[in-house]
Amino acid sequence: VKLQESGPRLVKPSETLSLTCSVSDDSITTNFYWGWLRQPPGKTLEYIGTVYHAGQTFYNPSLSSRVTISVDSSRNQFSLNLQSVTAADTAKYYCVRFGDWWVVDFWGQGALVTVSS
Amino acid sequence: EVELTQSPGTLSGSLGERATLSCRASQSLNSKYLAWYRQQPGQAPRLLIFGASNRVTGIPDRFSGSGSGTEFTLTINRLEPEDFAMYYCQYYDYSVLTFGGGTKVEIK
Repeated sequence: VKLQESGPRLVKPSETLSLTCSVSDDSITTNFYWGWLRQPPGKTLEYIGTVYHAGQTFYNPSLSSRVTISVDSSRNQFSLNLQSVTAADTAKYYCVRFGDWWVVDFWGQGALVTVSS
Repeated sequence: EVELTQSPGTLSGSLGERATLSCRASQSLNSKYLAWYRQQPGQAPRLLIFGASNRVTGIPDRFSGSGSGTEFTLTINRLEPEDFAMYYCQYYDYSVLTFGGGTKVEIK
């Protein structure tokens, strides 16, 4: 399974961060959950949210008011929108697949997104 | 919400030595949902251990996980060059994943 993040790497404060994850060598409609994690420079990982191909979503409560994750099964992709960003949202964003027992068994290479004017 | 505290923050070791990393939880955990990852510089993390003690296929047997309740341990026998990296424990509970702060294993 291969995952690849795409989208702008520089976002202005108060705007919306948008990333797309393209999945290859697997179908996004298989019985797995997909999602997003992030890692600010030099810090630990933070869970953002999860999506299932049928549209079911789960979000980190600390980000839920600003986050939307959606899936496009026809393109074998899923996307992240994070609204009203600040410098604190600067991080490497990873798209991931969740395996059995909710471990992350596949990772994208990560996309470093900087929030700056 | 579960909090995971990893210790030590930094562990200095030599090639061939054993390293013992700790992950302490703020409440008793279901071991089924406790995992360990290794992250080498500039790379995405890689899953090592799931269910607290189950090694992922392809991970060398020098890695072992143990523990229950609030105390979990990752042991690395015979440190090799690629083992000098960051290590994170992770738990899943009520649709949220939580990661520990990490332990850096560095060369002494």
